[in-house]
Amino acid sequence: RKEVEQDPGPFNVPEGATVAFNCTYSNSASQSFFWYRQDCRKEPKLLMSVYSSGNEDGRFTAQLNRASQYISLLIRDSKLSDSATYLCVGGAPGTYKYIFGTGTRLKVLA
Amino acid sequence: NAGVTQTPKFQVLKTGQSMTLQCAQDMNHNSMYWYRQDPGMGLRLIYYSASEGTTDKGEVPNGYNVSRLNKREFSLRLESAAPSQTSVYFCATDSRVTDTQYFGPGTRLTVL
Repeated sequence: RKEVEQDPGPFNVPEGATVAFNCTYSNSASQSFFWYRQDCRKEPKLLMSVYSSGNEDGRFTAQLNRASQYISLLIRDSKLSDSATYLCVGGAPGTYKYIFGTGTRLKVLA
Repeated sequence: NAGVTQTPKFQVLKTGQSMTLQCAQDMNHNSMYWYRQDPGMGLRLIYYSASEGTTDKGEVPNGYNVSRLNKREFSLRLESAAPSQTSVYFCATDSRVTDTQYFGPGTRLTVL
């Protein structure tokens, strides 16, 4: 079983829709979590960190459920520019190792 | 302020050839990383350097060597390239305060 697992998609949604991705992790030592966005043939860029209390940044909301070991990302009012691959990442404090999921591909359709 | 830069952007090698991928950062971070990204595999850590003068193996170090030349530069060397090393290679650095990783634009390597 992979340490961080994501549904690869693609998720095809119309503009304006709300879409949610989940990511599960198996290593309970992972303490910090992130969502990165990766555009086609580009480098990953941090979208947002994920906190136990949940956090929101504009149209994006991230949640962490430690009991069930999953992280979620909710995108409201999807834009064409949201089309990308979203990578779930887990890290253990005090280490230099981050575990990346394989990514979930989102296509927002006009 | 360029962030993280990598050279070259593209490279084609023949089996058995050697090459060095260069990475530099101007973010004054101590730690630097080399990843490879393959379809369906996600990003996998090859080597990392916690600080100038130190390097450690990651998940997939075989066939690679690294050098942390100074605080800014971290190079990845393929001594004898193999087709299995065809991949996209990303260099990264991170802020240990926020755990945020910053990636270079990547090197697309094909080994024939």
